[in-house]
Amino acid sequence: SAVISQKPSRDICQRGTSLTIQCQVDSQVTMMFWYRQQPGQSLTLIATANQGSEATYESGFVIDKFPISRPNLTFSTLTVSNMSPEDSSIYLCSVSPPGRDGYTFGSGTRLTVV
Amino acid sequence: GENVEQHPSTLSVQEGDSAVIKCTYSDSASNYFPWYKQELGKRPQLIIDIRSNVGEKKDQRIAVTLNKTAKHFSLHITETQPEDSAVYFCAASNTGNQFYFGTGTSLTVIP
Repeated sequence: SAVISQKPSRDICQRGTSLTIQCQVDSQVTMMFWYRQQPGQSLTLIATANQGSEATYESGFVIDKFPISRPNLTFSTLTVSNMSPEDSSIYLCSVSPPGRDGYTFGSGTRLTVV
Repeated sequence: GENVEQHPSTLSVQEGDSAVIKCTYSDSASNYFPWYKQELGKRPQLIIDIRSNVGEKKDQRIAVTLNKTAKHFSLHITETQPEDSAVYFCAASNTGNQFYFGTGTSLTVIP
């Protein structure tokens, strides 16, 4: 199965700043997915990142707030922009590896905005 | 879009007893239903899944059932052990790529 390296694992940020989260996959995948998991809550899909095209955002999430890059088939970044305490959450990237059902998740980034 | 509901939100069982978690989905086009286990501070891990052309699937102490007509599916854990304590999420997908998750069930197995 695919191995995903996600970083940073955690960060504490000042409000109004931005944080970029990186995910590196050890195999080529067509789509990468970014999820948010607020404390004690479920996983909410933020956007789907396709290589060579703009990311597709779910309702309630916009590109200005969560810009995504997908420069190649093994890497993606999610930026949380102009952060507020409400952005404090765990952010996870995931992929659906070729030939395998289900997602593999990155280890997550625990973000705290103060 | 797809809406997945999950019940109960918390579940406590005695070690050795069975646990059942139920999910319903709204999109009749959904055809793939995975279950994830998330231990505290860790990433979700796939534990079992089922496709819409199958009514039941079993893997040792874990089984999943699917009722397409009623649009619900369930996770069954038999002979529960303390290490089964975790949060369990169901999910549904009609593309095999985008997944929509239930709200989670926090399972506690009491020794």
